[in-house]
Amino acid sequence: DAGITQSPRHKVTETGTPVTLRCHQTENHRYMYWYRQDPGHGLRLIHYSYGVKDTDKGEVSDGYSVSRSKTEDFLLTLESATSSQTSVYFCAISAGPGFGNQPQHFGDGTRLSIL
Amino acid sequence: GENVEQHPSTLSVQEGDSAVIKCTYSDSASNYFPWYKQELGKGPQLIIDIRSNVGEKKDQRIAVTLNKTAKHFSLHITETQPEDSAVYFCSRAGGGADGLTFGKGTHLIIQP
Repeated sequence: DAGITQSPRHKVTETGTPVTLRCHQTENHRYMYWYRQDPGHGLRLIHYSYGVKDTDKGEVSDGYSVSRSKTEDFLLTLESATSSQTSVYFCAISAGPGFGNQPQHFGDGTRLSIL
Repeated sequence: GENVEQHPSTLSVQEGDSAVIKCTYSDSASNYFPWYKQELGKGPQLIIDIRSNVGEKKDQRIAVTLNKTAKHFSLHITETQPEDSAVYFCSRAGGGADGLTFGKGTHLIIQP
């Protein structure tokens, strides 16, 4: 299995609070991604990173920010959580860009509930 | 944005029979098509992928076919076993550094 650790694995919090999810990799891969998974929607891209301090928005980026200060860590922050952000969040890594030089491998997810 | 349609949403087959899951896409720039298997409580796991210069790829009981003209690709699982029960996702990528676009998933149920 790819060396990807997501933390925390589960979190329950209240509307309006800030939340930060962490993705840590031991593969030294350049590309990292955050997805959310919701019933009826599959997986949707939130943000991605193509290097340290290099990030860009995905399909559903509103309400989320990311940071990548070192190769191994990619943080996803919900500045003021809303109930619509209740979801399962997955981190993925890739040695190459998304057009297929290298496949993406996923972590086991963080289940986030916002009450 | 790019759209991937996946059918069926649920597929029930008898153990030992074959299962086929189909996906269509709209972006002609798509050139990489991975398939993922997801078990309960786990992240998606890559099971097979195909690139646009190949029409078919096989790995033991799993095969994927790609028809670029028609913009559709399919996953074929032969001699299904109980451990094949899971949710399967098709996906695609284009020429950029951004992530994959996924279908909504197929829940495959293997009946004993």
